[in-house]
Amino acid sequence: GENVEQHPSTLSVQEGDSAVIKCTYSDSASNYFPWYKQELGKGPQLIIDIRSNVGEKKDQRIAVTLNKTAKHFSLHITETQPEDSAVYFCAVGAGANSKLTFGKGITLSVRP
Amino acid sequence: NAGVTQTPKFQVLKTGQSMTLQCAQDMNHNSMYWYRQDPGMGLRLIYYSASEGTTDKGEVPNGYNVSRLNKREFSLRLESAAPSQTSVYFCASSDRGGGWNQPQHFGDGTRLSIL
Repeated sequence: GENVEQHPSTLSVQEGDSAVIKCTYSDSASNYFPWYKQELGKGPQLIIDIRSNVGEKKDQRIAVTLNKTAKHFSLHITETQPEDSAVYFCAVGAGANSKLTFGKGITLSVRP
Repeated sequence: NAGVTQTPKFQVLKTGQSMTLQCAQDMNHNSMYWYRQDPGMGLRLIYYSASEGTTDKGEVPNGYNVSRLNKREFSLRLESAAPSQTSVYFCASSDRGGGWNQPQHFGDGTRLSIL
């Protein structure tokens, strides 16, 4: 089955700095790559996703890049703010009838 | 505009008791999912329903049953609760179509403790 790993497991950055979280996957047939943000006591919330026919996608301070050859994709957050502090999960899917496989999550802390 | 609603939010059970976790979505989505979240384990799929009338096992189905009551509602049942089922349970839903995975929308979870 699909194996999804996130690196690093924790990340602490200074407010205003950039944060990069990397996710690797094993199944070359995977074609859907979402990122979720989970705040304390809440459910995961989709923040950005990318499909395999696109190499990069941006939404304001957030971007995702995909390297299909190396089988990894990364979440980039610029100008970090304290409200960006949360747990971030990557996930991988392989098509309309497939399930998502989630990484174990990374805790991002933004220091004021 | 509720999205995905889960009830109850918290529950404490004794070993051997049974319980049903309820989930309803108002986005007219075809697919619904049940996950459990344990510290350091991420989200693991228990069961899912690709469309009304169908259910399939996920990664960790043992000890659970599900019912897709109608297009809106998908329930998760623990027939005889065990301490290993202490977890946070999340329900999610997604649309189908276009040949791709569609974004999953999550509820805020049910925090279940089994003593």
